[in-house]
Amino acid sequence: QQQVKQSPQSLIVQKGGISIINCAYENTAFDYFPWYQQFPGKGPALLIAIRPDVSEKKEGRFTISFNKSAKQFSLHIMDSQPGDSATYFCAASNVGSSNTGKLIFGQGTTLQVKP
Amino acid sequence: EAGVTQFPSHSVIEKGQTVTLRCDPISGHDNLYWYRRVMGKEIKFLLHFVKESKQDESGMPNNRFLAERTGGTYSTLKVQPAELEDSGVYFCASSQDRREQFFGPGTRLTVL
Repeated sequence: QQQVKQSPQSLIVQKGGISIINCAYENTAFDYFPWYQQFPGKGPALLIAIRPDVSEKKEGRFTISFNKSAKQFSLHIMDSQPGDSATYFCAASNVGSSNTGKLIFGQGTTLQVKP
Repeated sequence: EAGVTQFPSHSVIEKGQTVTLRCDPISGHDNLYWYRRVMGKEIKFLLHFVKESKQDESGMPNNRFLAERTGGTYSTLKVQPAELEDSGVYFCASSQDRREQFFGPGTRLTVL
């Protein structure tokens, strides 16, 4: 079963706080784990991604933590800002040589950062 | 560099009619993907092209959906005849390396 479970469904955080979104996957063949950010009326945009041989990746205020043994990964947004208010999707794919790289998405988390 | 474009942005049709969605990928991207998000659900994969060849059609719901990619450039997704359950947002994405996928703004399809 190729499935990615994401939680919470919605999240409200005060400006300056930490936003945390969690995802769990089942297929151990996945080798690429991106997070996408989507604003209303726009398509999803790649935010940050990680490979399973790395336990953490940080880009600015955004950090992915990856736990291979637990088959879980999470997105942390530090110093959350109102401009971060958007829908966030985790995803997983298999981008090995003979694979298509199709993305299996989580259900999405709507984040609202209050000023 | 222009991003992925999709046309139309919105389409409202009656059940039983035909609709064709178009996607123009980023120039030079051989990989083109179609996805769909039905309201309240996750974004789901439909199919994958490499140039003009279909590599994976495993996500296509049924034979009412037909995708083509003429000459390995733009792609069309035709739904014929449309059913109520086909309503949703259809996204196209393109990629050079199958990792970073660049998404278009989507086409919101409403079937009445």
